[in-house]
Amino acid sequence: EDKVVQSPLSLVVHEGDTVTLNCSYEVTNFRSLLWYKQEKKAPTFLFMLTSSGIEKKSGRLSSILDKKELFSILNITATQTGDSAVYLCAVDPQKLVFGQGTRLTINP
Amino acid sequence: DTGVSQNPRHKITKRGQNVTFRCDPISEHNRLYWYRQTLGQGPEFLTYFQNEAQLEKSRLLSDRFSAERPKGSFSTLEIQRTEQGDSAMYLCASSLWGTHYNSPLHFGNGTRLTVT
Repeated sequence: EDKVVQSPLSLVVHEGDTVTLNCSYEVTNFRSLLWYKQEKKAPTFLFMLTSSGIEKKSGRLSSILDKKELFSILNITATQTGDSAVYLCAVDPQKLVFGQGTRLTINP
Repeated sequence: DTGVSQNPRHKITKRGQNVTFRCDPISEHNRLYWYRQTLGQGPEFLTYFQNEAQLEKSRLLSDRFSAERPKGSFSTLEIQRTEQGDSAMYLCASSLWGTHYNSPLHFGNGTRLTVT
């Protein structure tokens, strides 16, 4: 059965800190790994990763995939209170299989 | 707004009643997905369509759940004889899928179902 595990489940840091969120997976017919940010409603798309070792970057957020070790990390540097959200990792073997999410809280 | 649209936003129903939700995907997207999310969990896959064809349905989905996408555009999700355990956020998403390309899933804001 396809499986996605995220860690930590919850993280509280101070504004300005750097955080690393982890995602490991076991899935047949892997196509891509995606990161989403969910605040109160719809998950919003952050990154889609298909190749190992190529970092994707958007502002203070970056992510990388390791297809050999079956994991991905999401880094957020110089965190701001607006980064507080649940971050979801999902893998795509035709449909998305989600992890449980990491609840990130940034305190001022 | 050209995003994924879901209606209603909230639905409160009594146990045993039937409910139906609607999803309008992004117009050029050929795939449409339904997910269910409960508090503290990631979205759980229910079913998905490519155009009007239902390609997969979760083994966890009981026979009380049915989904349609009759013309390959909007979709409906019906839950018959609702139970308290059906209380959740129901999320719809759409994507553009092809043999050599697939876009990320874009989600709607969901329908929150409360069964009393």
